Amino acid sequence: RKEVEQDPGPFNVPEGATVAFNCTYSNSASQSFFWYRQDCRKEPKLLMSVYSSGNEDGRFTAQLNRASQYISLLIRDSKLSDSATYLCVVKGGAGRRALTFGSGTRLQVQP
Amino acid sequence: DVKVTQSSRYLVKRTGEKVFLECVQDMDHENMFWYRQDPGLGLRLIYFSYDVKMKEKGDIPEGYSVSREKKERFSLILESASTNQTSMYLCASIPGTAYEQYFGPGTRLTVT
Repeated sequence: RKEVEQDPGPFNVPEGATVAFNCTYSNSASQSFFWYRQDCRKEPKLLMSVYSSGNEDGRFTAQLNRASQYISLLIRDSKLSDSATYLCVVKGGAGRRALTFGSGTRLQVQP
Repeated sequence: DVKVTQSSRYLVKRTGEKVFLECVQDMDHENMFWYRQDPGLGLRLIYFSYDVKMKEKGDIPEGYSVSREKKERFSLILESASTNQTSMYLCASIPGTAYEQYFGPGTRLTVT
């Protein structure tokens, strides 16, 4: 079983739509959670951290459910420029310095 | 602005060749990482280093080695390249205990 699992998509949505991605992680000792965005043929870049209380950054809302070990990302009022692959990222338990990446969910926003 | 650079964007090598991938960061970051990214598998950690001359194996170190002689430079070495090492290689760095990883632009390596 992968440590971090995501639906690969693609999610094809019209402009203005609301879309949500989920991600599950297997290591209950995981400490920190993030969403990264990766454009085609580019490197990943941090989109937002995910906090236990949930957090919002403009049109983007991230939530964490530790009991069920899943993380979500909600994008409201989708823009064409939101088209990208969204990577769910987890920092493991004690001693794990590196991040563990999901394989990503591809979003295509259509005009 | 943090900058992580990689020596090549595209590289084509033959089976059995020794391959060096170089990564340089200009922000005095302690931690540096090498990943490979393959379709459907996501980013997988090969090796990382948290200090000069220090290294730790990641999840898929077989067939690779690394070198960190200076803080700003982290090299990935394929001792004898094989076709299953054809992939996108991404270098990343972070300062201290911060969590945001800054990635280089990647090197797309093809082994024929």
